[in-house]
Amino acid sequence: SQTIHQWPATLVQPVGSPLSLECTVEGTSNPNLYWYRQAAGRGLQLLFYSVGIGQISSEVPQNLSASRPQDRQFILSSKKLLLSDSGFYLCAWSVDYPSTDTQYFGPGTRLTVL
Amino acid sequence: AQSVSQHNHHVILSEAASLELGCNYSYGGTVNLFWYVQYPGQHLQLLLKYFSGDPLVKGIKGFEAEFIKSKFSFNLRKPSVQWSDTAEYFCAVNGGASGTYKYIFGTGTRLKVLA
Repeated sequence: SQTIHQWPATLVQPVGSPLSLECTVEGTSNPNLYWYRQAAGRGLQLLFYSVGIGQISSEVPQNLSASRPQDRQFILSSKKLLLSDSGFYLCAWSVDYPSTDTQYFGPGTRLTVL
Repeated sequence: AQSVSQHNHHVILSEAASLELGCNYSYGGTVNLFWYVQYPGQHLQLLLKYFSGDPLVKGIKGFEAEFIKSKFSFNLRKPSVQWSDTAEYFCAVNGGASGTYKYIFGTGTRLKVLA
């Protein structure tokens, strides 16, 4: 069966420090991968999605970036964190066949920037 | 602009009460519609979805939703809620000109069911 892992589960970082959040999927090949941010009262905001290795689409201009170095690995990064980067970050995956319908979400990373 | 609106941010009900959570969307073209649920301490998971066909969709745990194209709505309903339905519910849409990769989520509705 498919599983999705995210780490770390929680993170407290000072303003201006770098960030690296990792997401890995097991049990499926060539998944579509997504990064979302969930802020209180604002729902889920799609940050990046990837349909293949090295293919990243950015939805929101910001100081975050994403990379997909391997088929089932998706990394969210920042060179210098801002206070506004605090939030709950969710990784998700889906497959094209039979259709890109259901997204499967990971447990999330709670990021607090101080 | 593409958007999803959930007008009920917090809902409190007693067990056995009926539930209806509103969802309206603004999205060009043919859409796919979803309701996701996040139970306390659990991952976000799919509750039900609509792609085509019968506009009344039935999901898990007795939930259903009706797609009304003329009203751009996809409201979630349950005739009798249980304490275990306490969770946060998200409406989402994809499709149209943006394709099926770009999901737009609503802000969520926190439901609390009192035993």
